[in-house]
Parts: sequence; C-alpha cells; structure tokens
Amino acid sequence: DAGVIQSPRHEVTEMGQEVTLRCKPISGHNSLFWYRQTMMRGLELLIYFNNNVPIDDSGMPEDRFSAKMPNASFSTLKIQPSEPRDSAVYFCASSPQDSGANVLTFGAGSRLTVL
Amino acid sequence: GNSVTQMEGPVTLSEEAFLTINCTYTATGYPSLFWYVQYPGEGLQLLLKATKADDKGSNKGFEATYRKETTSFHLEKGSVQVSDSAVYFCALTHQAGTALIFGKGTTLSVSS
Repeated sequence: DAGVIQSPRHEVTEMGQEVTLRCKPISGHNSLFWYRQTMMRGLELLIYFNNNVPIDDSGMPEDRFSAKMPNASFSTLKIQPSEPRDSAVYFCASSPQDSGANVLTFGAGSRLTVL
Repeated sequence: GNSVTQMEGPVTLSEEAFLTINCTYTATGYPSLFWYVQYPGEGLQLLLKATKADDKGSNKGFEATYRKETTSFHLEKGSVQVSDSAVYFCALTHQAGTALIFGKGTTLSVSS
C-alpha cells in the first residue's frame, strides 16, 4: 500500500492567492482528517470526514478555508484568499472507521509558505 | 473538554540514557491513548497505544502504561539511541471514527 498521499509537498505562494492541497487516503479507510501543524499551536484538527461526509469542521479557522471529499479516494483543502498566517504544514490522515482504537495513518504533509 | 498536556521540550539526552516524557490527559470516561512519533520531514507514525486502564503499550523499546488514577500515559525507554531523535506526541480519542486530540509534542534530541 502506498500510504496516504498528499500533494504538493511544498507550496510557496503570495498573499491573496488560492491554495489547494490534495489528499488520497488509504484504500478502504473511511475516515479522513485534516490537521495543521505550526510551532506556536502544535497540531490542530481542522476537519474530519466519515464516509465522505464532514463530521466536525469546528477547527476550520475561518471562511477562507474549505474542505471537500467528493469520493472515498480524494479530498481537498482549499484556502482562498491565503494569508501569511496560514503558513504551516498541513497533514492529511486516514483510518478505518471500525478500527477500534482509531489508529490514524498520516501523509507526509504539505508545507505551505504564504509570502 | 478533552485535552492532552505534555512536558515541554526539548529533551536532550546522551545515547543509552533513560527517557521519560510525561503526558497527562483530561477526558470523560475511558479514552484510548496513543503515542505518535514524527521524524524530521515526515508525517506522524503510531508508536504505541493503550485502550483501557492498566494496559501497557510497547514498541521499539518504548513503553507507556495507561494510568486512570493519575490520568497519565508517560512514555519511557530504558536506553535511547541517536535514531530516536524526533518529536513525540501524546494523543487521545474516545471512539473509532473520531479525531485524535494531540498534545503539543516534545522534541527529543539524542547525541552520541
């Protein structure tokens, strides 16, 4: 299995531009999570999906952030317009919903720098 | 609400030293507890877990025991190696299909 695949691995953009981060979960995993990691705030949950349905988006910072999961094998996190304070590493993770102890498998992350 | 508190880092040790990273949690009921590890430039990987009180999770020489009475899940290793240098995250969750709540992470640096 290739694991959780995220793209791009690195993105540098200018303030005001739209950013789209992509995630392909492990096949058969029906829960998908987006986290953001910064030095100041650590690892924060942004949103998670079960069976492609958003369950909890209370961690999404503001309306500039949106996430979709159109099918079981693909999710996007979009920031429009981007701001310098959005600079962070964004992780996608997936798990089987019936995994008992809810073990998450993380992707390698997308490092976003907004200038 | 549910939360996880870890000791502040960085933790700097010499090779073969004993390691303890403290983790305490606040949660209702009986959460499942985890330690994840993040090596430089990589995503988090599960290190070990425990799902009920008094369970001991272990992997790669690391151990942690779920202590309900002290709401703790401290990570220990008897003899660290340079290759253990990484960031360690304590986390909890209440049920499958729900999100993990992470501590802020503790950076471990081991020198030879």
